[in-house]
Amino acid sequence: QQQVKQSPQSLIVQKGGISIINCAYENTAFDYFPWYQQFPGKGPALLIAIRPDVSEKKEGRFTISFNKSAKQFSLHIMDSQPGDSATYFCAASMSKAAGNKLTFGGGTRVLVKP
Amino acid sequence: ETGVTQTPRHLVMGMTNKKSLKCEQHLGHNAMYWYKQSAKKPLELMFVYNFKEQTENNSVPSRFSPECPNSSHLFLHLHTLQPEDSALYLCASSQDFSSSNPQGNTIYFGEGSWLTVV
Repeated sequence: QQQVKQSPQSLIVQKGGISIINCAYENTAFDYFPWYQQFPGKGPALLIAIRPDVSEKKEGRFTISFNKSAKQFSLHIMDSQPGDSATYFCAASMSKAAGNKLTFGGGTRVLVKP
Repeated sequence: ETGVTQTPRHLVMGMTNKKSLKCEQHLGHNAMYWYKQSAKKPLELMFVYNFKEQTENNSVPSRFSPECPNSSHLFLHLHTLQPEDSALYLCASSQDFSSSNPQGNTIYFGEGSWLTVV
């Protein structure tokens, strides 16, 4: 119930291409879906987040698409740049539940080739 | 700089040692967390504190002992660890759970403490 499944595990994309990472969840009580970006040697940092009342959220080159009925959400990185090379984690939580506990996906290592 | 500082950044300890990881946040938050990140598993929540009170212990073995003396500081005391405990330990903070602010869910991570148990 608490799992968040993320795919693919790794991704190689050419500079200027589109990176797509998918996540699926089981718990319908989840109502907050953030994506975190982690560079080597650093902690994860919030990239973008969405709540189920919208189907898409865009911030710069990063877009989250959300499909509530399918219990899936995805991150699209448009015009991928070498500086986007990092590990990306999707996560989910219940904002009203005590504890503010994030359940993370397994991560996707993205490599953008120049 | 995320506003969450962890020390030490790297720690090597024997299985019989006692050591501690320290975390300090400068964000004015009232909730703090310990997460474990290893190569084989997703980021795992270990402990949660809200206003210095522990609200979550995610079935963590007693060889890990957290301490939260105030809302800005969090420690993880380590004792009699096993080699499989080697991992990156991440501290994080957020606004307290009672906040109705939509940003209240945003968790800010430190850079982590790399722990190797030999």
